[in-house]
Amino acid sequence: SQQGEEDPQALSIQEGENATMNCSYKTSINNLQWYRQNSGRGLVHLILIRSNEREKHSGRLRVTLDTSKKSSSLLITASRAADTASYFCATDNSGGSNYKLTFGKGTLLTVNP
Amino acid sequence: NAGVTQTPKFQVLKTGQSMTLQCAQDMNHNSMYWYRQDPGMGLRLIYYSASEGTTDKGEVPNGYNVSRLNKREFSLRLESAAPSQTSVYFCASTSPGPKSVYGYTFGSGTRLTVV
Repeated sequence: SQQGEEDPQALSIQEGENATMNCSYKTSINNLQWYRQNSGRGLVHLILIRSNEREKHSGRLRVTLDTSKKSSSLLITASRAADTASYFCATDNSGGSNYKLTFGKGTLLTVNP
Repeated sequence: NAGVTQTPKFQVLKTGQSMTLQCAQDMNHNSMYWYRQDPGMGLRLIYYSASEGTTDKGEVPNGYNVSRLNKREFSLRLESAAPSQTSVYFCASTSPGPKSVYGYTFGSGTRLTVV
C-alpha cells in the first residue's frame, strides 16, 4: 500500500516562480526522501530529511517535515524549465536491517519557459 | 562509475514466456531492490535484498522470483509472463548506514510489454 501521497498530482508554473509540492504519509518514519524523475529515466535522489529534523536546504531546494501532521513539503525556488519532471516522496519506516522505501504516486511539475 | 546498470532496456514478451531482468551495481552497496512503476500507481516494491545472501518479498511479489547472485548482481525473473506484468521495472541499490541515512541509486529501467 502507498505510504506517501503527493499533492498536487500536477503543477504547472512559469519559469522563475516557486514550486511547492506536499507529501502526506500514514505511519511513523525514520526519514523521508524526495526524488526527481525526468521523462523516460530512472529516479534521482534529491534530499533526505530525518524524523528529528524540521527543515533542510540543498541549493534551490527546501524540505520541511512535520511529524505531528505526518506531512512534508518540497519547495523549489526560482524554477527553471529543466526542473520539469515528476517528483516523488519516499518514506523509510522499516526496522532493523531491512531498509526499504515506500514511494508515493508523484507530482508532475511543468515549468513553462 | 556506471552506477546501477539494467539490461535489457526494452523487451516484448508473449503471454506465458519467461525472462530474466538483470541488474548490476558497482558501488559496493549492500542492499538492492526491484520496483515496478505503472501509470498513476507510483513505484511498488517487488522484492529486495538487504544484503548478499538474503532476499525478501515486497508489496507485489506474486509472479516474480529473484536471485542475489553476488554482492553486485540482483536478477528478477518472470516465470510465466502475464499482460498484468506490463510495466517499467527499476532496480535500485543503497548501502544504509546505522541510521538509514542513504538514498537509493536507480537504474534507467526496463520497459516490458507482455502481449
